[in-house]
Amino acid sequence: DAGVIQSPRHEVTEMGQEVTLRCKPISGHDYLFWYRQTMMRGLELLIYFNNNVPIDDSGMPEDRFSAKMPNASFSTLKIQPSEPRDSAVYFCASSTQTANYGYTFGSGTRLTVV
Amino acid sequence: GDSVTQMEGPVTLSEEAFLTINCTYTATGYPSLFWYVQYPGEGLQLLLKATKADDKGSNKGFEATYRKETTSFHLEKGSVQVSDSAVYFCALVSSGSARQLTFGSGTQLTVLP
Repeated sequence: DAGVIQSPRHEVTEMGQEVTLRCKPISGHDYLFWYRQTMMRGLELLIYFNNNVPIDDSGMPEDRFSAKMPNASFSTLKIQPSEPRDSAVYFCASSTQTANYGYTFGSGTRLTVV
Repeated sequence: GDSVTQMEGPVTLSEEAFLTINCTYTATGYPSLFWYVQYPGEGLQLLLKATKADDKGSNKGFEATYRKETTSFHLEKGSVQVSDSAVYFCALVSSGSARQLTFGSGTQLTVLP
């Protein structure tokens, strides 16, 4: 298995532009999580899905952020419009219902908004 | 709610020194406990886990024992290497929860040759 695949690895965009981050979870995993990591705030859970349905989006910072999971093998996190304070590393992770399994993380997308 | 408290970093050790990173938790029921490691520029990788009291998780020379009486899951390694330099995260999943991991704040470890 190739693991959790995120794209792009790096993204540099100008303030006000739309940014879309992509994630392909491990096949058979029914939970998908989006995290944001910054030096100041550490790891923050933004949203997670179970069987493609958003379960908890209370960590999404504001309406500029949206996430979708149209099928079991793909999810997107969109920021529109982007702001410099959105600069961070965004991680996707997936997991299964199997008890005590833990998560598998992707390599992350480093977003820089200038 | 659930929470994980980790030893404040950064931690700097010489090669072959003994490592302990403290982790304590607060959770309902019987959580599963994890240590994740993040190497520079990479995502988090599962290092080891323990699913019930007195279980010992181990991997790559690292060990941690699930201590329910002290609600702790301290990470140890007898002889660290330069390649162990990374950020280490303690985490838990509560029993019966919707699989949501609760992470500690992370501890930066630097091992000097």
